[in-house]
Amino acid sequence: DTGVSQDPRHKITKRGQNVTFRCDPISEHNRLYWYRQTLGQGPEFLTYFQNEAQLEKSRLLSDRFSAERPKGSFSTLEIQRTEQGDSAMYLCASSLDMAGGPADTQYFGPGTRLTVL
Amino acid sequence: GEDVEQSLFLSVREGDSSVINCTYTDSSSTYLYWYKQEPGAGLQLLTYIFSNMDMKQDQRLTVLLNKKDKHLSLRIADTQTGDSAIYFCADSLSGGYNKLIFGAGTRLAVHP
Repeated sequence: DTGVSQDPRHKITKRGQNVTFRCDPISEHNRLYWYRQTLGQGPEFLTYFQNEAQLEKSRLLSDRFSAERPKGSFSTLEIQRTEQGDSAMYLCASSLDMAGGPADTQYFGPGTRLTVL
Repeated sequence: GEDVEQSLFLSVREGDSSVINCTYTDSSSTYLYWYKQEPGAGLQLLTYIFSNMDMKQDQRLTVLLNKKDKHLSLRIADTQTGDSAIYFCADSLSGGYNKLIFGAGTRLAVHP
């Protein structure tokens, strides 16, 4: 079973450095989501892709954040000039768009925990 | 904006039933979900319910939806120590795709 995978699982960086995370969705899933989860909170939506098109970005996604899904398969999330407030768990989820079908159920990866020193 | 609220903590004895409650504000919800998160891990989908249903049962899990009061609950029968985790209620906003709005999570502690 190949669920959603994320790499790396943990990242420690110094303030001001750039970091990039990767998400590999479930292979036939055409929708991909990024969420951010801070300690003691539920995940918050960051952005959504339908195939390779980025269709929505949350206002949480400042101009230091960029996400791509170049071939409609894996996705990357880059944070430039990291700040201590970026420390969080970054979660990726994928789902299959089935018009008229059952719930567009999102399956989550294990997350990447970012610590900015 | 849309909001989802949950009580933060629940403690139950092993073998008892657990009931985790959730309220939401979105009037046009289509699906509501329950996810489980163990320490340091991602979210595991437990179950979901369509908004025109009142109840859904799946083995030890029972979901009740009161759409009038915008209240959702998850009942876990015969709670085990392995059920100790954080449980998140999530509302899917209408609009062509499922942007999920999560509550802050309910930490379930199961003691002998």
